[in-house]
Amino acid sequence: ETGVTQSPTHLIKTRGQQVTLRCSSQSGHNTVSWYQQALGQGPQFIFQYYREEENGRGNFPPRFSGLQFPNYSSELNVNALELDDSALYLCASSLADTLANYGYTFGSGTRLTVV
Amino acid sequence: SQQGEEDPQALSIQEGENATMNCSYKTSINNLQWYRQNSGRGLVHLILIRSNEREKHSGRLRVTLDTSKKSSSLLITASRAADTASYFCASIRGAQKLVFGQGTRLTINP
Repeated sequence: ETGVTQSPTHLIKTRGQQVTLRCSSQSGHNTVSWYQQALGQGPQFIFQYYREEENGRGNFPPRFSGLQFPNYSSELNVNALELDDSALYLCASSLADTLANYGYTFGSGTRLTVV
Repeated sequence: SQQGEEDPQALSIQEGENATMNCSYKTSINNLQWYRQNSGRGLVHLILIRSNEREKHSGRLRVTLDTSKKSSSLLITASRAADTASYFCASIRGAQKLVFGQGTRLTINP
């Protein structure tokens, strides 16, 4: 029933490679955020986009970058993959004006394994 | 770094019993949210409580918030096998990012 779609669902990459993960926001949502969740941990904020501009970033290096498109879909790019980048990557969308009253809608995630 | 901590880290109860999970956070908040995650999949928003609210109900869920103690609790009444999941509390910090705790793994035994 989630309105946020992520692709692919699973991915295996080799250390040093680059990866692009994709997210389609729920219809009408203008804000998208990306989170990294390591096994057994809570999600960690990577960055957030609002109307195609980055408006917040967590403690992640520059090799983590993103884009938001006019239709509010989004990409997460990770360069020079490291083994520790293996995690579940979650995309979440919201309508900025209602965030104080409603939570985020999350996608099912992309499981990235770096070998 | 994590904003909050859930307690306990793991909880196992019998079907039909009530489950209580606690969350503590470190800084002032605008609201606090609870999410459920099944088997490493996406998070599902359960309930949001604002900083000026003390208690909120949604179906079998009851959330309390004590801003003086910087803590919240989630009560699930009459638990079901389908409630087996990890539960996270999260608060909004600057730039409207969610800051999560490490979660409580709840197991409902039939």
